[in-house]
Amino acid sequence: DGGITQSPKYLFRKEGQNVTLSCEQNLNHDAMYWYRQDPGQGLRLIYYSQIVNDFQKGDIAEGYSVSREKKESFPLTVTSAQKNPTAFYLCASSIYLRNTEAFFGQGTRLTVV
Amino acid sequence: GIQVEQSPPDLILQEGANSTLRCNFSDSVNNLQWFHQNPWGQLINLFYIPSGTKQNGRLSATTVATERYSLLYISSSQTTDSGVYFCAVGAAAGNKLTFGGGTRVLVKP
Repeated sequence: DGGITQSPKYLFRKEGQNVTLSCEQNLNHDAMYWYRQDPGQGLRLIYYSQIVNDFQKGDIAEGYSVSREKKESFPLTVTSAQKNPTAFYLCASSIYLRNTEAFFGQGTRLTVV
Repeated sequence: GIQVEQSPPDLILQEGANSTLRCNFSDSVNNLQWFHQNPWGQLINLFYIPSGTKQNGRLSATTVATERYSLLYISSSQTTDSGVYFCAVGAAAGNKLTFGGGTRVLVKP
């Protein structure tokens, strides 16, 4: 089936540790995105990538890092510099054109313990 | 950056009722999407509607881009319609979406 796969669904991290969230898509989309959602709020953009080996900061990039070595994959690392990492993280992809529909994965719920 | 406001923030409906959700945005957009977030957190695409009107079963949406708003209509609501409805807009190349705060809908049997 075509789609976006995020793993794991749930993740627990100790304070001071880095953790990497996986996002893979088989839709042949050029663009991929990471969003963060806090309880009771909308989504905010962390990072996005329009093409392999290139990515741009979104609105809340501090404490996060990404890589885009393959078209299908866009992993997000939550570093120890992120002061409040507990949140729901959603990955999305779209054809890189000006007016196209974005599709989302099922999300990863990260909890710092 | 662009601002997106959704109203009402909360909506309680009796099963079978109709409702209208509104999304206002502060600047011209070239992308507008409506999503339904289910209880497990997954975002389900409802409509891609930067302008015009679309219908899908009991749901329909209208975007009036010149007046900077979009409406989502739910007719004959069912308990499975419960969840959070998000409007998201894109105003720049790269298809980055800015989300509203959502409308939380509860449909009671």
